Order: sequence, then C-alpha cells, then structure tokens
Amino acid sequence: GENVEQHPSTLSVQEGDSAVIKCTYSDSASNYFPWYKQELGKRPQLIIDIRSNVGEKKDQRIAVTLNKTAKHFSLHITETQPEDSAVYFCAASGNFNKFYFGSGTKLNVKP
Amino acid sequence: GAVVSQHPSWVICKSGTSVKIECRSLDFQATTMFWYRQFPKQSLMLMATSNEGSKATYEQGVEKDKFLINHASLTLSTLTVTSAHPEDSSFYICSARILSGANVLTFGAGSRLTVL
Repeated sequence: GENVEQHPSTLSVQEGDSAVIKCTYSDSASNYFPWYKQELGKRPQLIIDIRSNVGEKKDQRIAVTLNKTAKHFSLHITETQPEDSAVYFCAASGNFNKFYFGSGTKLNVKP
Repeated sequence: GAVVSQHPSWVICKSGTSVKIECRSLDFQATTMFWYRQFPKQSLMLMATSNEGSKATYEQGVEKDKFLINHASLTLSTLTVTSAHPEDSSFYICSARILSGANVLTFGAGSRLTVL
C-alpha cells in the first residue's frame, strides 16, 4: 500500500513566522493530498487539499504545493498565530479509495 | 456541512468482553467508511475500509475476526472489538467519504477504548 512520510515531527516557531511541513508518498497512483489539523482531544479537520493536476493551492494564510515527479507535497503556513498550534497530518489517496496518513507534525506557535 | 457521529466517545470494559462502536453519517449517505486507530501522539493507522452491503476490506496485519465491521446501511457502520484485551486500548476513529462535491474525508469525534 501507500507509504506516507512526514517531517518534522515537531516544529516550534515564533508568532508571525512561517511554518513548513513536508510529506513524501510512495504510490505514483495517488492523486489526492489533503491536510488535516487535529487539536488536542478533537477530531481531525480538513484545512486544505490538492489534487494531482494542480501544483499549488492557496487559501489565505495556508498553501500547499505538490511535486508529482518527486512525490512530495508541503504545507505552508504564513503569519502563524497561537491558534495554529495543533498536530497536522498529511494524507495521500488514490481516487479517494483509501486515505493513508503521515505520522503527524506537532506545531507550537510561541506568542 | 457533512457530519459524522461516533458513539460511544469513551468506553471502559473488562478484558474478554466485546465492545461495539457506531459511526453514523448524519446528513449524507456514505457507501464507504474508514476505520482508523490512533495511539497517543501517533498517526492515524488505517484498519479497514467499510463498504455498504459488502464485506469490509482489512489492511495487512489487522485481524478481521478481532475487529468485526458491519456496514448495513448507507448511514451506519459499526466496529466491534471482540474479546478485548488491554493491548486493544486505543483511540478508534471513523471517517466517511462524501460522495458528492469535493470527495473529502470527514471524521467522527473518535472513541477512546480502555480495556482493564
């Protein structure tokens, strides 16, 4: 099956700085890449996603880039705020059949 | 928006008993639901794919006789942990794929199982 690797496992940034989380995947058939934010004790929430026919997608302070050739995609958060602190998961799916998740990144935004 | 309801949110049971967890799609139909297991501070591990009206497909290493999945309707999937043992203690979380629109995956709130 698909193998999704995510780095770093923890990330600490100062409020206002940018944060970047990177993921790689192994299955070239994967064509959908969502990112989820999970706050402590809560369910994962979709924050942004990208499909394989697009190289970049942006939604206000968050953006995702995809390099299909290298099989990696990244989450970029600009102007970070304390409320951005959470665990972020990347995932990969082939035609929405199954979703495999990365190991997660704990983001800590220091005020 | 699409809501997935999961019940119970917390359950404690004795070793050897069975526990059933329900996952319902409240305002949409879900032909496919996914069951994940999440250990503390770890990622979501896909256990099985639940398909309405047919048998679930299990990931490698997941015992299908241990984790029984039933998807009897378009809005309900159940996971039964049979003869639970302390090592089965974990956070179980279901998700459903929304058929229309963006085909996104939406999650239930999860069920924390503690086996004594």
